[in-house]
Amino acid sequence: DGGITQSPKYLFRKEGQNVTLSCEQNLNHDAMYWYRQDPGQGLRLIYYSQIVNDFQKGDIAEGYSVSREKKESFPLTVTSAQKNPTAFYLCASRDQGNEQYFGPGTRLTVT
Amino acid sequence: AQSVAQPEDQVNVAEGNPLTVKCTYSVSGNPYLFWYVQYPNRGLQFLLKYITGDNLVKGSYGFEAEFNKSQTSFHLKKPSALVSDSALYFCAVRAAPSGNTPLVFGKGTRLSVIA
Repeated sequence: DGGITQSPKYLFRKEGQNVTLSCEQNLNHDAMYWYRQDPGQGLRLIYYSQIVNDFQKGDIAEGYSVSREKKESFPLTVTSAQKNPTAFYLCASRDQGNEQYFGPGTRLTVT
Repeated sequence: AQSVAQPEDQVNVAEGNPLTVKCTYSVSGNPYLFWYVQYPNRGLQFLLKYITGDNLVKGSYGFEAEFNKSQTSFHLKKPSALVSDSALYFCAVRAAPSGNTPLVFGKGTRLSVIA
């Protein structure tokens, strides 16, 4: 998982609260990505950013928001509008050789 | 649109036997293909990739994969499975060249190696 940190590893929230997941990379990569992982569904793309101050919606962006104010940081906010927020969230960045590097993930539980 | 199919949710193999985890893809133009492995409650780890060149790609931990353009497949193989290979395996694709567009992942195949 080297070079990308996600915090915290486990996160618990009450329904109706917004929560922000942290993703930081020290790999000097331009592109960063957020995926959601649910059992049996693989990885689904939430948002991605190709460069600072720019980001695009992925396949399941509803109920989520992101920012990219610094190259190193790509935080994800899970809003109260997200109907099923409990999941494992993975952040990744990409090098010039097309390989995506993943962080260790944050497991969010909303009750 | 790009897509990846991993037709088997679960693959069981005895330790020491060869293993194959299947992957087929659909993409416009030439593909960039990847295999990743995930251990419980961890992020994904890169195993190998095909960008161009030799169809047989060798990767980490003794794994290899063969790109077959006519069958649009990129199956992951290992000659002799280890119990420690038990994990969740993901195949991914991106059209080439494609800037920083994201990888599209399959749903994953759980490999169980039995001692």
